[in-house]
Amino acid sequence: EDQVTQSPEALRLQEGESSSLNCSYTVSGLRGLFWYRQDPGKGPEFLFTLYSAGEEKEKERLKATLTKKESFLHITAPKPEDSATYLCAVRRGSGSARQLTFGSGTQLTVLP
Amino acid sequence: DAGITQSPRHKVTETGTPVTLRCHQTENHRYMYWYRQDPGHGLRLIHYSYGVKDTDKGEVSDGYSVSRSKTEDFLLTLESATSSQTSVYFCAIMEGSDGYTFGSGTRLTVV
Repeated sequence: EDQVTQSPEALRLQEGESSSLNCSYTVSGLRGLFWYRQDPGKGPEFLFTLYSAGEEKEKERLKATLTKKESFLHITAPKPEDSATYLCAVRRGSGSARQLTFGSGTQLTVLP
Repeated sequence: DAGITQSPRHKVTETGTPVTLRCHQTENHRYMYWYRQDPGHGLRLIHYSYGVKDTDKGEVSDGYSVSRSKTEDFLLTLESATSSQTSVYFCAIMEGSDGYTFGSGTRLTVV
């Protein structure tokens, strides 16, 4: 059974205070690890897909990295508009009809 | 981006009544999904579809059924709503290798 665990559940940062969110996963034959951002009352919004250990992707103040057991979402010098819930998900390699298994998310609050 | 619309956005219903939620896409994406989102549980897969009339169960399918008679529409039905089905329901489509595109969600309250 695929499992995704995100930590911490909630994180409060001061504006400009860099930090990292963690996503630990167990999946048979990883076919992709996905990061999403979700604002209150809205559907999740796609951020990144990572496919293999060592891969990194960046978007503005966000950088996602991947190892064989976990992924990190690094937030550099965050701003209040980065406040959101960040979701991690995995897709297994076979027999899954492309379905994703999600973690419970990390709720990030960036204070001005 | 694919257009994906969920309706209704909000619904309050009574225990024991049937409820149907609709997901509509404007492009011919093959894969469509229904998830529910609850505090502490994240997003959990209810049912998914891989083509017209081709559907399968997900992790939390008990009490739910789906239908897909046209490529663009994927319906989720609660045959007899229960309070445990109070949740936010999201429809999603798979676009290439970039994971899902989600709808805006339906907030369902069963009283």
